[in-house]
Amino acid sequence: GNSVTQMEGPVTLSEEAFLTINCTYTATGYPSLFWYVQYPGEGLQLLLKATKADDKGSNKGFEATYRKETTSFHLEKGSVQVSDSAVYFCALSAHGAQKLVFGQGTRLTINP
Amino acid sequence: KAGVTQTPRYLIKTRGQQVTLSCSPISGHRSVSWYQQTPGQGLQFLFEYFSETQRNKGNFPGRFSGRQFSNSRSEMNVSTLELGDSALYLCASSLGVAGGVNEQFFGPGTRLTVL
Repeated sequence: GNSVTQMEGPVTLSEEAFLTINCTYTATGYPSLFWYVQYPGEGLQLLLKATKADDKGSNKGFEATYRKETTSFHLEKGSVQVSDSAVYFCALSAHGAQKLVFGQGTRLTINP
Repeated sequence: KAGVTQTPRYLIKTRGQQVTLSCSPISGHRSVSWYQQTPGQGLQFLFEYFSETQRNKGNFPGRFSGRQFSNSRSEMNVSTLELGDSALYLCASSLGVAGGVNEQFFGPGTRLTVL
């Protein structure tokens, strides 16, 4: 079945550091890929998405590129802020389906 | 546009009881999905409803059930509660267009504690 594997956390960085959170997936066909963020006490917010190979999703300084050859969708940000502290989830959905399959989540803490 | 709302936000029940959680989707959204979030199992898909019909179902026991009303509001019910049902239950809504990539919008969740 479909699955998502994320870099284990927690990850702690200093403000303005470069961030990478690794995500790889296993899926049949051509899934859509997503990054969601969860702030304390809140639900999930869609951060970015990519729907086909080589697509780059971007939002709020975060980027991720859909790499079919390596089945990866790594999240990057050039300069993190304290406000980026949250839990980040990589997810996929099979083409045309609503069901999201999530990775285990990566807790990110940014220190000033 | 109002977001996805879930009620109640917090709930405490005892083993053996049943519970009903409610979700109101974004106006115009016809698909509602439910997820369970626990520290051990992470985020797991429960089921999806579209136009009052269950369209997809995850691997949960029959104690977990749901329904959707004609206004797209959805409820999920858990009967004979077990300690392991303690979790954050998240609802997500989307347009639900078949064959398309439908962005899902999540509510804040209902935190269920089973004692």
